[in-house]
Amino acid sequence: QKEVEQNSGPLSVPEGAIASLNCTYSDRGSQSFFWYRQYSGKSPELIMSIYSNGDKEDGRFTAQLNKASQYVSLLIRDSQPSDSATYLCAVSLDGGFKTIFGAGTRLFVKA
Amino acid sequence: NAGVTQTPKFQVLKTGQSMTLQCAQDMNHNSMYWYRQDPGMGLRLIYYSASEGTTDKGEVPNGYNVSRLNKREFSLRLESAAPSQTSVYFCASKGSTEAFFGQGTRLTVV
Repeated sequence: QKEVEQNSGPLSVPEGAIASLNCTYSDRGSQSFFWYRQYSGKSPELIMSIYSNGDKEDGRFTAQLNKASQYVSLLIRDSQPSDSATYLCAVSLDGGFKTIFGAGTRLFVKA
Repeated sequence: NAGVTQTPKFQVLKTGQSMTLQCAQDMNHNSMYWYRQDPGMGLRLIYYSASEGTTDKGEVPNGYNVSRLNKREFSLRLESAAPSQTSVYFCASKGSTEAFFGQGTRLTVV
């Protein structure tokens, strides 16, 4: 079992809708959780980080963490075509030094 | 401020050849990482270095070696390249929170 699991998609949503991306992880010792966005042919860039249970909002993005269920999600409100990318969930283990990524979910936002 | 710099950006190797991918960061980060990215596989951790002088295996270390030369530099070596090592390689460095990535090296082994 891979340590970080994501639905590979593609996930297609209309412009203006809410996109919901999900991630599960296997190591209960995981301490930090991240969502990265990667455009085709580019490097990943951080969108959100979350460290404690609950919701964290930043503009149109909301990260949700449930450590009991080992579940992390990312909501994108008012989705725009520019949000079309691959979204990578990442988890830090071993005191935060070892960062493992999921396979990513491809998101398409249709204009 | 360059961030994380990887060289080279593109490389074609013949099976059995060796090469070293270079990575340098100027953000004074303690931790550095090497990942490979294949279609549909996301980023897979090859090796990481939590601090200068330490290195640890990640998810897919076979066929690779690393050297943390100093706090700034972390190199990845392929001793005998194989077609299965054709991939895009990313170096990253991390401070207290997020990881910052280099631009990637597209490696093809023929």
